[in-house]
Amino acid sequence: GAVVSQHPSWVICKSGTSVKIECRSLDFQATTMFWYRQFPKQSLMLMATSNEGSKATYEQGVEKDKFLINHASLTLSTLTVTSAHPEDSSFYICSARRAGPNTGELFFGEGSRLTVL
Amino acid sequence: AQSVTQLDSHVSVSEGTPVLLRCNYSSSYSPSLFWYVQHPNKGLQLLLKYTSAATLVKGINGFEAEFKKSETSFHLTKPSAHMSDAAEYFCVVSVMNYGGSQGNLIFGKGTKLSVKP
Repeated sequence: GAVVSQHPSWVICKSGTSVKIECRSLDFQATTMFWYRQFPKQSLMLMATSNEGSKATYEQGVEKDKFLINHASLTLSTLTVTSAHPEDSSFYICSARRAGPNTGELFFGEGSRLTVL
Repeated sequence: AQSVTQLDSHVSVSEGTPVLLRCNYSSSYSPSLFWYVQHPNKGLQLLLKYTSAATLVKGINGFEAEFKKSETSFHLTKPSAHMSDAAEYFCVVSVMNYGGSQGNLIFGKGTKLSVKP
């Protein structure tokens, strides 16, 4: 099956620093990648939709200058949490949609847990 | 608009007994429905999906779900629980885009399944 890899799995940073999380589709090309945020004991909330070669589309309430998303290639999207604060601590998950016809299934990464001190 | 309601936030069963995780959906169009499982600090894994074919859908690890349009339900079942089934389960609804690709996913709040020895 298709594999999506996220890196790092865990990251701890100081308040005010920026953190980059990578999402890679390892064995397929992904025209679209999605970034989700999951608070403890809650469901996933879609943050933004990232299309290769174009600007990401952010959901209402998500600060685009705070959460920078880059989808530079068909196999890589990055989420950068800028000037992180403790309230940004969360579990971030990406998913990727495989390119091509009749391939609408999404494949999820294993998530990245961010802790901001 | 699409929405999904998972009726139980926590279900506890004994090993070897049946599992029932309830999900009701709301959709203006023919929905696609999914069940995902998330083990602690891991990403999401697709258990099964319904996309307007057979109403009884069989998934991995012995799980199955039945799409009942009259009841707007898509409950997840398994005849006999195993300790390794302990995880968080998410019911998800989506509407297919024109061209057959999967639209945005709407996640339920999740049901935590505990399995007692």
